[in-house]
Amino acid sequence: LAKTTQPISMDSYEGQEVNITCSHNNIATNDYITWYQQFPSQGPRFIIQGYKTKVTNEVASLFIPADRKSSTLSLPRVSLSDTAVYYCLVGEIDTDKLIFGTGTRLQVFP
Amino acid sequence: GAVVSQHPSWVICKSGTSVKIECRSLDFQATTMFWYRQFPKQSLMLMATSNEGSKATYEQGVEKDKFLINHASLTLSTLTVTSAHPEDSSFYICSARGGQGGNTEAFFGQGTRLTVV
Repeated sequence: LAKTTQPISMDSYEGQEVNITCSHNNIATNDYITWYQQFPSQGPRFIIQGYKTKVTNEVASLFIPADRKSSTLSLPRVSLSDTAVYYCLVGEIDTDKLIFGTGTRLQVFP
Repeated sequence: GAVVSQHPSWVICKSGTSVKIECRSLDFQATTMFWYRQFPKQSLMLMATSNEGSKATYEQGVEKDKFLINHASLTLSTLTVTSAHPEDSSFYICSARGGQGGNTEAFFGQGTRLTVV
């Protein structure tokens, strides 16, 4: 399983775009990149998943460069309710264990 | 998205007693389930992985005789904390993954707050 590195915390203001980068230098060929969001006292919630290039859904975008050694979760126009911890996971999503790193604690201010 | 239900949401028990936490996949068959514990301000720590009908695989440092995991069906897994002590107080979270191959995401329960007094 590839180890992931994320910033411990980030601050933003409402309405801004937030980009959280995750490093995964040892990503393997069959590994996918998955991002989860967790609010206090709740289980993590799936945000987005990708393998390469760009993936976009109604919540976020995921940018993955050609070498796949990093990925960036982009949250457009954040609101106060986006204050949470965001985790980047890397692995073969149908066979690997789900190992969580430290995550990034995003604080959105009014 | 798929729903994973955990029960109870919170439980308080006396030291020395056992507590069972249930994890159900409501609208899909979970071939694999994961159990985590999470302490305040910390990340999720994987305790064990279980496949339906097989014995759970425990992570290093997790006592299998203390944390009994049963995955008897494709929709239900249980975690029993035996002879609970105050240091077992934590937030326990289950995750379920189904499907075969391909782009399969895992879904998480809402968590169970265990307090041992």
